[in-house]
Amino acid sequence: GAVVSQHPSRVICKSGTSVKIECRSLDFQATTMFWYRQFPKQSLMLMATSNEGSKATYEQGVEKDKFLINHASLTLSTLTVTSAHPEDSSFYICSARPAGYLNTEAFFGQGTRLTVV
Amino acid sequence: AQSVTQLDSHVSVSEGTPVLLRCNYSSSYSPSLFWYVQHPNKGLQLLLKYTSAATLVKGINGFEAEFKKSETSFHLTKPSAHMSDAAEYFCVVSEGNYGQNFVFGPGTRLSVLP
Repeated sequence: GAVVSQHPSRVICKSGTSVKIECRSLDFQATTMFWYRQFPKQSLMLMATSNEGSKATYEQGVEKDKFLINHASLTLSTLTVTSAHPEDSSFYICSARPAGYLNTEAFFGQGTRLTVV
Repeated sequence: AQSVTQLDSHVSVSEGTPVLLRCNYSSSYSPSLFWYVQHPNKGLQLLLKYTSAATLVKGINGFEAEFKKSETSFHLTKPSAHMSDAAEYFCVVSEGNYGQNFVFGPGTRLSVLP
């Protein structure tokens, strides 16, 4: 199946700093990528939908100025957590769908464990 | 709007016995349905998917699921559990022509006892 690479897999940062997470579709083009957040022992919560060449669509309650999303190409989307705080510590997962497919499954990255100290 | 219910937050079985993970959904349209597995601190792996073809879907690692429209269910089964099956399982519903609105169930944690 298609491969989505997410980097880094783990990151520890100091409170107040910013962290960038990359999501790449390695063998397909993805016009849309999705960013999820997962708290311990909970399901995935969609944060935002990233559309290539346009602004991301954020879910209700997600601060767009805190979680900056850029989808500059058909194979790369980035999530930047700005001015991180300990409550931002979580597992972040991206997914992507191949362009032009109907009802296809989404391919997921391996996730990024963010710890803010 | 669609939604997904996974009736059991935790299921525990003995190795070699059958597995049943339940999933019910609601959807305004003909949905696509998926089961994903997540091992600790890992991303998600697709087990199987239903997209309006055969109602009995076979996936990887011996898992299968049956789409029952009348019951709005998509339960996941495996005849014989293996220790490596211990993980978190998510039922997912998607609707729309291009699979928009990918909605996750709350997840079921499967424990396999020796």
